[in-house]
Amino acid sequence: QVQLVESGGGVVQPGRSLRLSCAASGFTFSDYGMHWVRQAPGKGLEWVAVIWFDGTIIYYADSVKGRFTISRDNSKNSLHLQMNSLRADDTAVYYCAREERPGSGWPVPPFDSWGQGTLVTVAS
Amino acid sequence: DVQLTQSPSFLSASVGDRVTITCRASQGIANYLAWYQQVPGKAPKLLISAASTLQSGVPSRFSGSGSGTEFTITISSLQPEDFATYYCQQVNSYPLAFGGGTKVQVK
Repeated sequence: QVQLVESGGGVVQPGRSLRLSCAASGFTFSDYGMHWVRQAPGKGLEWVAVIWFDGTIIYYADSVKGRFTISRDNSKNSLHLQMNSLRADDTAVYYCAREERPGSGWPVPPFDSWGQGTLVTVAS
Repeated sequence: DVQLTQSPSFLSASVGDRVTITCRASQGIANYLAWYQQVPGKAPKLLISAASTLQSGVPSRFSGSGSGTEFTITISSLQPEDFATYYCQQVNSYPLAFGGGTKVQVK
C-alpha cells in the first residue's frame, strides 16, 4: 500500500536551515506529482510547494518563496524540502502528500495520500 | 490568488444531525474543489474531489455540491466518528489554497 514517511524535523534556531525528506513506497513514485503542506500548532492547513512527477515544474507559496527548495530523487523514491532562513512562523508539522492520479497537469489532482508529518520548531 | 472562506468556523451538533459546511472562493474555480477531514494528531483524509465525487470508501452520508464560487459539504446523519475538522481546497490554480477549516464538535 502507499506509504509516505517524513523525516528531518526538529528544533532549529531562527535563521538556520533544515532539510526534510519524505520516503515513498507502495507506488511508482516517478509517476506522481508531490507536495508539501504544513500546519502550525492549532492552526489550519497551508500548502507549501509542489514538484511535478518529472521535476520539471515547481511552484511555491509566497510565504516560502526564495527560502525553501523542493526537490525529488526518482531513483531513490524520495522527496525533499530544503528550508533556509527559517523563521518562528515556519514552526509547523510538515506533511508530504501525493496527488490523486499519476501525471501532473491541469486540473491539479487533490491529495489522496499523506505522510504522518514531521514537526519543525523554530525557536531560540 | 484564489482565497477560500469556510463557514462556520465551529459547528456544534449531535449524532444524527444533518450538517452543512460552506466554502466560498474569491473567484470562480469551476468544480476544482476538494474536501478533507482531519482528526486531531492525524493527517488529513481526502473525502471529496471535483466538488462532488466521493472517494472510494467514504460513507455515502457525505456529499458535496457546488461550482464556481460556492461549495458545500453535507453530512446527512452525523456519526460519532465524524467529529473532526473539515477543510476545503482549491485545485484550480497555483498557489493552491485551503479554507480555514470547520471544526465539528459535540453539542
